[in-house]
Amino acid sequence: AQRVTQPEKLLSVFKGAPVELKCNYSYSGSPELFWYVQYSRQRLQLLLRHISRESIKGFTADLNKGETSFHLKKPFAQEEDSAMYYCALRGAGNTGKLIFGQGTTLQVKP
Amino acid sequence: DAGVTQSPTHLIKTRGQQVTLRCSPKSGHDTVSWYQQALGQGPQFIFQYYEEEERQRGNFPDRFSGHQFPNYSSELNVNALLLGDSALYLCASSLAKGGGYTFGSGTRLTVV
Repeated sequence: AQRVTQPEKLLSVFKGAPVELKCNYSYSGSPELFWYVQYSRQRLQLLLRHISRESIKGFTADLNKGETSFHLKKPFAQEEDSAMYYCALRGAGNTGKLIFGQGTTLQVKP
Repeated sequence: DAGVTQSPTHLIKTRGQQVTLRCSPKSGHDTVSWYQQALGQGPQFIFQYYEEEERQRGNFPDRFSGHQFPNYSSELNVNALLLGDSALYLCASSLAKGGGYTFGSGTRLTVV
């Protein structure tokens, strides 16, 4: 079964602390993995795609096929990073559906 | 570029009624997907439209139907509304050849 699991509903850290938002997936094949972010009162927006291998707003994520994980990391959290983060999967060669995890709320305290 | 536009933003309906939600995709995008997001959950895929046809469908009953118009805009129709249909309905547009999705702000549907 295709599934995305984000084990933490809430992650609370202090400003300047490292952040790691966990994402594990279940998919028999080579999926595309994404991180989406939703800031307060804003629409869902793409943060990272694993195939781009880029860093956005200081965030990075590496696809680990052995552990079927795609954890989102940032070395030094900022207050403006506070938001809801969703990990999502799309099957390779499939321009169709995204499968989302339940989301993790990141709270960065001053 | 206005991005993806959805209307209305909020809607209250009574059980058993029918509802139509609308979506205009981002300029240049030709594919529209619809998602349902219940409170505290991640978005769940309903279906996707391309070239005015349903290309893929998630695990939703036939009460959920859709349409795509020649200008790529789309409608989501839900018949015989249930209380459990109360959710945020998101529209996302993309290019058929691949790439990322652009999401709208959603329509908040409340069924009473």
